[in-house]
Amino acid sequence: DTGVSQDPRHKITKRGQNVTFRCDPISEHNRLYWYRQTLGQGPEFLTYFQNEAQLEKSRLLSDRFSAERPKGSFSTLEIQRTEQGDSAMYLCASSVTGSGGSPLHFGNGTRLTVT
Amino acid sequence: AQKVTQAQTEISVVEKEDVTLDCVYETRDTTYYLFWYKQPPSGELVFLIRRNSFDEQNEISGRYSWNFQKSTSSFNFTITASQVVDSAVYFCALSEAAYSGAGSYQLTFGKGTKLSVIP
Repeated sequence: DTGVSQDPRHKITKRGQNVTFRCDPISEHNRLYWYRQTLGQGPEFLTYFQNEAQLEKSRLLSDRFSAERPKGSFSTLEIQRTEQGDSAMYLCASSVTGSGGSPLHFGNGTRLTVT
Repeated sequence: AQKVTQAQTEISVVEKEDVTLDCVYETRDTTYYLFWYKQPPSGELVFLIRRNSFDEQNEISGRYSWNFQKSTSSFNFTITASQVVDSAVYFCALSEAAYSGAGSYQLTFGKGTKLSVIP
């Protein structure tokens, strides 16, 4: 169990640029989540995958955001035409299939700064 | 809609003191799960405990203990004999067991309590 891995750890970009983040979940976990955390707040749900299917998206996820999980393994989160309000920590988490009690295992996150 | 409130934004204690972090939740479901996570300065959220809504037994793990009371919708976390390594932001979170949309069982987090343990 190597844990959830996220890349890069930090990303600084100029407003209007596109960025892409990668998440590698724990290998036997078929559920994958993306959360966003801003300073002084708890993580907020963005989207969820069961294997390769994206089954739920938060209203927080604007049209500029897109996530994929090809082949049900790693996942990518892309933000197009970044805005300063997109600056946040983007967290990936994974869990096993089960009831709502399966704990989420989080990665270290990708900190995005939009200048 | 579900909601988690952590009224304490920041707490400072001197090492070896006991400290309790409060968590109050709201949910319409009768079946749900409650969690505590620790977020040290490194940023990674570390899972501490999970309780389901049918199990109100208090739990103790070393210096950590949790008090779950459905009557007051609270799930409080106590650290006994605090240590500097306990300094972190602690989050309480709620997951409803019933399907939410496509069964994501997404977690709803509180805003967190920043605990500083002073040597």
